[in-house]
Amino acid sequence: EAQVTQNPRYLITVTGKKLTVTCSQNMNHEYMSWYRQDPGLGLRQIYYSMNVEVTDKGDVPEGYKVSRKEKRNFPLILESPSPNQTSLYFCASSSGGAHYGYTFGSGTRLTVV
Amino acid sequence: AQKITQTQPGMFVQEKEAVTLDCTYDTSDPSYGLFWYKQPSSGEMIFLIYQGSYDQQNATEGRYSLNFQKARKSANLVISASQLGDSAMYFCAMREDNQAGTALIFGKGTTLSVSS
Repeated sequence: EAQVTQNPRYLITVTGKKLTVTCSQNMNHEYMSWYRQDPGLGLRQIYYSMNVEVTDKGDVPEGYKVSRKEKRNFPLILESPSPNQTSLYFCASSSGGAHYGYTFGSGTRLTVV
Repeated sequence: AQKITQTQPGMFVQEKEAVTLDCTYDTSDPSYGLFWYKQPSSGEMIFLIYQGSYDQQNATEGRYSLNFQKARKSANLVISASQLGDSAMYFCAMREDNQAGTALIFGKGTTLSVSS
């Protein structure tokens, strides 16, 4: 089944404790992105990648890191999480440009206390 | 300026009725894609329908259709014969055909409630 798999689904952590949210896609997509969703703000792009070893900042990159060492994987790293990073996070992948939609993972609900 | 505007925070409709969810967009790029996603209470993002900027006809997918008015820069989603399972948040989104077009730009969403 074609899908984007992200883990974990739920995570509660403490301020400052490094964490990684994993994301993997099995569709051989070139484009991958991370979004965060907050009430009243919709979804905002954190980072994106157009191919292996090619990543760039989205609209809200502060406090996050990513890497794209393999085409299928695009982990999101929070080096020192803070409470304002409490959010619902989505990983997504796409096969092409403007006329291709993104396939989304199931989401990771992160709480930082 | 917002690129995607959804002016209806919430909409209410009865089962079997049709409902229109509004979306206006802003771009100077002649080539772009418009998308609608559904997010039920379980949280996942479900792709519903796509409309390309050069498409002459409105897109349709089952009970979903997109009322695309290019000159007005609107891309309203029409759901015919609403069902209880249509209760969800609906997002309009756009991708532009340029370097920054990797991003799917979202509106803030409309919550649809379908009652029996």
